[in-house]
Amino acid sequence: DTEVTQTPKHLVMGMTNKKSLKCEQHMGHRAMYWYKQKAKKPPELMFVYSYEKLSINESVPSRFSPECPNSSLLNLHLHALQPEDSALYLCASSQRLGGDEQYFGPGTRLTVT
Amino acid sequence: AQSVTQLDSHVSVSEGTPVLLRCNYSSSYSPSLFWYVQHPNKGLQLLLKYTSAATLVKGINGFEAEFKKSETSFHLTKPSAHMSDAAEYFCVVRENYGGSQGNLIFGKGTKLSVKP
Repeated sequence: DTEVTQTPKHLVMGMTNKKSLKCEQHMGHRAMYWYKQKAKKPPELMFVYSYEKLSINESVPSRFSPECPNSSLLNLHLHALQPEDSALYLCASSQRLGGDEQYFGPGTRLTVT
Repeated sequence: AQSVTQLDSHVSVSEGTPVLLRCNYSSSYSPSLFWYVQHPNKGLQLLLKYTSAATLVKGINGFEAEFKKSETSFHLTKPSAHMSDAAEYFCVVRENYGGSQGNLIFGKGTKLSVKP
């Protein structure tokens, strides 16, 4: 099983809402990633978790708050977002940080109104 | 620092003709290189990877790529395009050393169109 799942597929939220994106993998991978992808652009790295600990934060605004409750789950909590945060949010995992390929989920299409 | 350049933002081919998507990389060390494909409104799917074994790498769906160190290239090819190949393709290099070890560096992408 090389599947990374993400929920929800689509999300529309207002600028005052609080919502969460969820990512799950059952491949035993110990590194998990959040990316943001704007239209017609490559993905941009946001956060990296290694063994459930935050390893990299690419200077992401605090209105995005990641959480890794266990080795299979990765959440991204959203609060007070701006319209320019509308994008496709991709989750990925790899066997370990710094090694092997990353497997991507299908993404959550987020629209901030 | 590592970087990757996809030489064409858009490639258009006819169904049944060969596909060539060009990628050049810059790396101080032995790189790991990947090609990912993204269909509209979908996530990224790994097509193939090079990690210092055979220089000719075969991937899924009939794609292959050749690592040429002298030319710092990793071009993606397929002998015969299919309509379902129409998608965005990303050439990716992975940092293997230093503080950003493990990070993927993406090219800007090449959109492949396939005409019937």
